[in-house]
This record gives sequence, structure tokens and C-alpha cells, in this order.
Amino acid sequence: EVQLLESGGGLVQPGGSLRLSCAASGFTFSNYAMSWVRQAPGKGLEWVSALSGRGGSTYYADSVKGRFTISRDISKDTLYLQMKSLGAEDTAVYYCAKDQDMFFGSSSGEDIWGQGTMVTVSS
Amino acid sequence: SYDLTQPPSVSVSPGQRATISCSGDKLGDKDVCWYQQKPGQSPILVIYQDMKRPSGITERFSGSNSGNTATLTISGTQVVDEADYYCQAWDSSTKVFGGGTRLTVL
Repeated sequence: EVQLLESGGGLVQPGGSLRLSCAASGFTFSNYAMSWVRQAPGKGLEWVSALSGRGGSTYYADSVKGRFTISRDISKDTLYLQMKSLGAEDTAVYYCAKDQDMFFGSSSGEDIWGQGTMVTVSS
Repeated sequence: SYDLTQPPSVSVSPGQRATISCSGDKLGDKDVCWYQQKPGQSPILVIYQDMKRPSGITERFSGSNSGNTATLTISGTQVVDEADYYCQAWDSSTKVFGGGTRLTVL
């Protein structure tokens, strides 16, 4: 079964850091682009970052550029999101999602989503 | 940055056709995806590349995209279709979501 399982969320103080993980199973992890998408409480979806399959090129939303870093460990079939300088605006459920294609810009969409992990930034 | 605009809400009677719009500058030149999200659940891809349906998605879902507007159409709408729907497009090495449309079936 194709599955994504996020972890690492929690409560963090403003200005703090957190690393999210997304464990993939049931597919060849390195063959697909992967994204992080977040959803603030009661709000819509916001794309955060992506990493292409094979070459591993990275992409970021302006709102997180310079603060968040996406990466992967192919040997562990795991995607990461390192977050720093967190603010209240970063409070959200963070979803990991698999693209249908290897290339981030293919517009094939994300066909597999994890259950999400909640990040709360508060003092 | 690129913006996608959706109506906040759409209402439809069971069995009728529901249409949800997504507007953006020259959106017809881009490929659009649509996602369904029910309360407390993760999003589900229902349409990609404007009009293609992923495996397992009912034929009642269809999409189109032309000019500045993409449209998600649900034919024979059922109560089970009640959810939030989001359009998505790729622009300048980023992905953008519309603000979402709450579909109410009543």
C-alpha cells in the first residue's frame, strides 16, 4: 500500500526550530516529486516546498524561503522539512504529498497525501 | 505572485450539476488540478491537467480550463460530494492554491 506518514510536529516557541519527517512506503521514493503543503486552522491549503525526483531540485514558497529547507534521505525513503525562525503565521497542519510525476512542474498533481502533523508556534 | 480566485461557497441540490470556478490571469495557459477535502481529512486529487481523472475518481467529476477560468463540474451531485474544493496551478517554480470553495449539497 502506498503510504506517507508525517511526524515531528508539536509546540514550539516563536523564533524556534523544528524538523518534520515524512516516511514513504509502497513506491519508489526517488522516482517522484514530493511536496509539503500546510493548512492553518480553519484556512485553506498553502503550498510550502517541493523536491523533484531523481535530481532533487528544490522549490520554496516566498513565505518560507530562507527559513525552511526541504531534503530527503533516499536510503530511508524519508522526506524532511527543516523549519527555523518560526512565527505564529507558521502554525498549521503540515501535509506531505507525493506527485504523480518525477518533475515538480509537470502539473500532474499530488495523488497521495499523509495524514498531516500539527505545528503550533506559541509562547 | 500568482493568484487564484474561487467563490467561497456553492450550493446545489442533490442530483443537480455543481460548478466551481477558479480564476487567474491567463489561467488557460496553465494546467490546473482540483482537490477535494472533507472535514478532518487529507485532500484528495480529483482532477489533474485540467480534465484528467486519477484512478478511482468517479466520472461525475470533470474539468475544463480556458481563458482566465478553470471549472470543476460535478454531475448528479450527491451528499457525499459535500466538501471543500481547491484549485491548484503551477507558476514560476511554485505551486499556488485557490482559496477554496465550500460545496454544500442540500
